[in-house]
Amino acid sequence: AAGVIQSPRHLIKEKRETATLKCYPIPRHDTVYWYQQGPGQDPQFLISFYEKMQSDKGSIPDRFSAQQFSDYHSELNMSSLELGDSALYFCASSSFVPGLASWGNNEQFFGPGTRLTVL
Amino acid sequence: TQLLEQSPQFLSIQEGENLTVYCNSSSVFSSLQWYRQEPGEGPVLLVTVVTGGEVKKLKRLTFQFGDARKDSSLHITAAQPGDTGLYLCAGPTSGTYKYIFGTGTRLKVLA
Repeated sequence: AAGVIQSPRHLIKEKRETATLKCYPIPRHDTVYWYQQGPGQDPQFLISFYEKMQSDKGSIPDRFSAQQFSDYHSELNMSSLELGDSALYFCASSSFVPGLASWGNNEQFFGPGTRLTVL
Repeated sequence: TQLLEQSPQFLSIQEGENLTVYCNSSSVFSSLQWYRQEPGEGPVLLVTVVTGGEVKKLKRLTFQFGDARKDSSLHITAAQPGDTGLYLCAGPTSGTYKYIFGTGTRLKVLA
């Protein structure tokens, strides 16, 4: 079965540079989520998109932006990188229709992650 | 703010032992998911529980959702070294598309 694809898998950048992470959701999934996971921490929600529109925002720095494209893939753009941005970045996708009475089965399927190292 | 507290945080046991991991909240969740994550990899979905009181089994793993849908547990029978990893509960917060993770339980099963 097709899974979530993330690219690149590893990225090394210098301070103050920019980085773009890409996420390709499972086919027919319409919702994409981005997470940041620091060493020894649980994933922290950054931002989500449903049908190409931002659906919710978490602890995402102003230096970061993201969007979902017409083919449902998403990109996370990170500018003015700082040492503290070094982390694993995960994308997850789900097939979810907001507004339904039942929120059950909002299962998210995660990609393998992008390890970003800022030097 | 909805939080998911997991206990214990760390667990080191011998192969063949049983264990239970707890995931608790003061808030109601419409569903809870359990994931297992290995170092450097993405969390892998194990199960989703939706109905209060629901019990689901996945081989040696038994998942239960509390009657009030505020807590969940994961029980592993006869743990094996391959069960080693970070176990995370997670769920959708009410009224938003925000998805929160529990504090995590790091399990190590020694051969």
